[in-house]
Amino acid sequence: GAVVSQHPSWVICKSGTSVKIECRSLDFQATTMFWYRQFPKQSLMLMATSNEGSKATYEQGVEKDKFLINHASLTLSTLTVTSAHPEDSSFYICSAREDGREQYFGPGTRLTVT
Amino acid sequence: QQQVKQSPQSLIVQKGGIPIINCAYENTAFDYFPWYQQFPGKGPALLIAIRPDVSEKKEGRFTISFNKSAKQFSLHIMDSQPGDSATYFCAASIASGTYKYIFGTGTRLKVLA
Repeated sequence: GAVVSQHPSWVICKSGTSVKIECRSLDFQATTMFWYRQFPKQSLMLMATSNEGSKATYEQGVEKDKFLINHASLTLSTLTVTSAHPEDSSFYICSAREDGREQYFGPGTRLTVT
Repeated sequence: QQQVKQSPQSLIVQKGGIPIINCAYENTAFDYFPWYQQFPGKGPALLIAIRPDVSEKKEGRFTISFNKSAKQFSLHIMDSQPGDSATYFCAASIASGTYKYIFGTGTRLKVLA
């Protein structure tokens, strides 16, 4: 149990375009979802926390208008990178948790902006 | 105060050895300390976690030692195998709050056959 999926697993987009990444909890209801960013050989950096039906809470230094997060249901959260630039290229990982339980991580999405 | 310091940055051991990875924190409000294993290109997977009311926890070949007074905790991998070669992250969170994790910087472990 406790499976989190992400789609796509890998995406290439052109500079200036937007790209959406989906995060789904497959067998539980995720009251809270988290989005992380990870550069090569570095740790996971929390970008934002979202609760179903509420606006996301962004960490200091993360641009809200650039990284749009929507947590529309208890099983789905989306991260949209708007007007992507090469410096946005990274590994994006979501996690999800049900109240009182662990955080479970998705497999990650590799974004490359050309 | 929100940092979690992890060491060493990298570690090489022989098969069967016992690698030890250490983490230290400052925020005494942290009350949940998980360890994650990550393979290249994959998301992190939970290995084992501990709360500060116990000093040690074992699950299979993985053991966490926790020193509340020193604000330190460590991961021991018994009888390490080449398949354990991965990056390991410690984390800390406040379970009663948003539960968001503060991750350590990671340790790249290589187990030689």
